[in-house]
Amino acid sequence: AQTVTQSQPEMSVQEAETVTLSCTYDTSESDYYLFWYKQPPSRQMILVIRQEAYKQQNATENRFSVNFQKAAKSFSLKISDSQLGDAAMYFCAQSPGGGADGLTFGKGTHLIIQP
Amino acid sequence: EADIYQTPRYLVIGTGKKITLECSQTMGHDKMYWYQQDPGMELHLIHYSYGVNSTEKGDLSSESTVSRIRTEHFPLTLESARPSHTSQYLCASSTTGRDTEAFFGQGTRLTVV
Repeated sequence: AQTVTQSQPEMSVQEAETVTLSCTYDTSESDYYLFWYKQPPSRQMILVIRQEAYKQQNATENRFSVNFQKAAKSFSLKISDSQLGDAAMYFCAQSPGGGADGLTFGKGTHLIIQP
Repeated sequence: EADIYQTPRYLVIGTGKKITLECSQTMGHDKMYWYQQDPGMELHLIHYSYGVNSTEKGDLSSESTVSRIRTEHFPLTLESARPSHTSQYLCASSTTGRDTEAFFGQGTRLTVV
């Protein structure tokens, strides 16, 4: 069985600062993907960043990067130069074998951006 | 934004009523999904479909049913709504393959009174 744990229900950061959201997971699969999704208030959930487990290099998308520690089963998201538009719920998720099948989500972290 | 639409966005309905939540996508995706999300909680998969006439139950048991008669349409039906069905329902779709992502609709927030 897969599990995803986000231990920070809420985080707050000053605009332009850097924030790291934590995520740990457990899986018995050797081939899996990890994701961070963003859910703004009353808007669609969108994919922020994706990491394939067999790739050692950490994924990066503009101001968003991950710290993937496979042995520790940790997958944190770093947001640099935080902007007001980053305020949202952030969900960590994993799926076995890639793709969107069998996504298991964490409970989410509510990110507040202080102007 | 992704081309996947859910209606209605908000629904308040009385106990015992039959309801259908609509989900449509214009991306030609074969795979579609329904997730249930309670406030402050994670999303749980309740139904999925890999194509026309294909439907399966997800990890979370649900009294709802789904159908997939057309590729673009994946409605969810509750025959007799109960207060325990109060939740947010999110529809998603994706292409087939490894390197894919799920595209989500804006969700339907259902309240059964």
